[in-house]
Amino acid sequence: SQQGEEDPQALSIQEGENATMNCSYKTSINNLQWYRQNSGRGLVHLILIRSNEREKHSGRLRVTLDTSKKSSSLLITASRAADTASYFCATGESSNDYKLSFGAGTTVTVRA
Amino acid sequence: EAGVAQSPRYKIIEKRQSVAFWCNPISGHATLYWYQQILGQGPKLLIQFQNNGVVDDSQLPKDRFSAERLKGVDSTLKIQPAKLEDSAVYLCASSPSGRAWETQYFGPGTRLLVL
Repeated sequence: SQQGEEDPQALSIQEGENATMNCSYKTSINNLQWYRQNSGRGLVHLILIRSNEREKHSGRLRVTLDTSKKSSSLLITASRAADTASYFCATGESSNDYKLSFGAGTTVTVRA
Repeated sequence: EAGVAQSPRYKIIEKRQSVAFWCNPISGHATLYWYQQILGQGPKLLIQFQNNGVVDDSQLPKDRFSAERLKGVDSTLKIQPAKLEDSAVYLCASSPSGRAWETQYFGPGTRLLVL
């Protein structure tokens, strides 16, 4: 079973707008990663946030983590057509240093 | 640095036939993963190798799926016999040591259609 659940399942926005997606998980984690998958391609790592961090930035990406609510959000600012992709959160469980579990993903469409 | 290579990119077979996928990870990466990604879902781990040993194969349908990692480098995933529900993208990934906080590097995937 998948640990992370993304919300919404799909998102359509205009170019230049911000896109926000959320990830909720069930068990205790020591890190959470976000990956992007363009159509017909493999996944590409975007950003990692550790359980003792609350917010992290990378370029136009902003990730937050609330371990008390077992949730994370990914914000993409000033979206571009090239941001059209599926975004997955992946959680590293505290109980197993080698296990990374992927969620079902959010599909983002950026309209020109 | 060369990325993760997979072949073939596409495969169409009939049910009950067999099929094999090949993966060459990033040089020096100890850990190799095979994932199954059904349309509209996230990747599901089938098997994780550490060098040429198996770390996790709890979700591998062992009655029909098998995988091996020769000499701790290349890997082959086989399905025999295939079922309709095996239609999916099979992704291979690698990481330096397999810790969950490491970046996993994915190949482009093999898209399998079982008719």
